[in-house]
Amino acid sequence: QKEVEQNSGPLSVPEGAIASLNCTYSDRVSQSFFWYRQYSGKSPELIMSIYSNGDKEDGRFTAQLNKASQYVSLLIRDSQPSDSATYLCAVNIDTGGFKTIFGAGTRLFVKA
Amino acid sequence: DARVTQTPRHKVTEMGQEVTMRCQPILGHNTVFWYRQTMMQGLELLAYFRNRAPLDDSGMPKDRFSAEMPDATLATLKIQPSEPRDSAVYFCASGFGQGYEQYFGPGTRLTVT
Repeated sequence: QKEVEQNSGPLSVPEGAIASLNCTYSDRVSQSFFWYRQYSGKSPELIMSIYSNGDKEDGRFTAQLNKASQYVSLLIRDSQPSDSATYLCAVNIDTGGFKTIFGAGTRLFVKA
Repeated sequence: DARVTQTPRHKVTEMGQEVTMRCQPILGHNTVFWYRQTMMQGLELLAYFRNRAPLDDSGMPKDRFSAEMPDATLATLKIQPSEPRDSAVYFCASGFGQGYEQYFGPGTRLTVT
């Protein structure tokens, strides 16, 4: 089992809709969670971080974390064509030795 | 506008040659990471430093890869000798404190023929 799993997609949503991206992780000592956006040919860009259970909202983005179920999700409201990118889930594990694990990413297409 | 910078942006070399990639972290950031990204493997952590000290390089092939931070403004990743399977995009990222939030440079696209 991969340590961080994401549906590779592509996930296609119409403009203005809500895009829902999901990520599950296997290590229960995971402590911090991140969503990065990566446009084709570009570097990953941090868009959200979440450290505790519940929801965290930032503009059109909402990150949700459920440590008991070991999943983290990203909701994008009012999706725009400019949101079309690959979204990478990242999990940090810090138990004396630091480790960052990225998921393979979910490709999102927002249709105008 | 604080950014991580990387040089070179593109590198084409022949198998067996030495490759050196450089990274300048964001001023004030004390944690630096090296990643490799390929279509097959995705984004893989190769090594990371905190306060210039190497904390983990378990992701690196030790026989040919080496990573250093000669000073707080420069991190280097060397491959010697390079092999075609090293062809990938290499990213440097920096962070502050524990370094949990990482800010990526533009990457070095390496092609080894």
